[in-house]
Amino acid sequence: EAGVAQSPRYKIIEKRQSVAFWCNPISGHATLYWYQQILGQGPKLLIQFQNNGVVDDSQLPKDRFSAERLKGVDSTLKIQPAKLEDSAVYLCASSPGPGSNQETQYFGPGTRLLVL
Amino acid sequence: RKEVEQDPGPFNVPEGATVAFNCTYSNSASQSFFWYRQDCRKEPKLLMSVYSSGNEDGRFTAQLNRASQYISLLIRDSKLSDSATYLCVVPTNFGNEKLTFGTGTRLTIIP
Repeated sequence: EAGVAQSPRYKIIEKRQSVAFWCNPISGHATLYWYQQILGQGPKLLIQFQNNGVVDDSQLPKDRFSAERLKGVDSTLKIQPAKLEDSAVYLCASSPGPGSNQETQYFGPGTRLLVL
Repeated sequence: RKEVEQDPGPFNVPEGATVAFNCTYSNSASQSFFWYRQDCRKEPKLLMSVYSSGNEDGRFTAQLNRASQYISLLIRDSKLSDSATYLCVVPTNFGNEKLTFGTGTRLTIIP
């Protein structure tokens, strides 16, 4: 079974530039998550989708971050404009969805972002 | 109290030793708990789930103390390959599968 795919794996940008990350979850997984993991910390949930609807975006800095999952499959996360403190690993995860083995989230390899 | 709190370590332990980590949580309504393992520069992966008083899987034992609101992870006969960061994970928004991760405990097994 193919895992969660993410691209790019690495990105270096200057502050105030824009950047976008892409995620393709495991086939058939209804729930998709974007996490931000700053060095030395645990992953912090940014946004959670169930199919193409937003379930939780309470910790998403909406003045600069946006995310979409238009067809309920792939998702993109965008930062515009980027700040130095956005330097982190952005992890995408997916899970089957309600009524299944809810607790297991499968993570992609992440996108490592460095803002200069 | 933070939603999920762990001792960040690092724990430097000789090979073959037993090591234990604790994690405290604030939401007394939480029913299930998880330990994820994260290798350096890799993504987190589920190690163990804890639903009742505890769970055992080979050299790994997870225990839950609801009264004191903490869970622990015990690793026996530690191997070099156990070196990783261990993340304590607690559901914090029931019904929508939201998980809150601790900061992680870094473990290094020394030959």
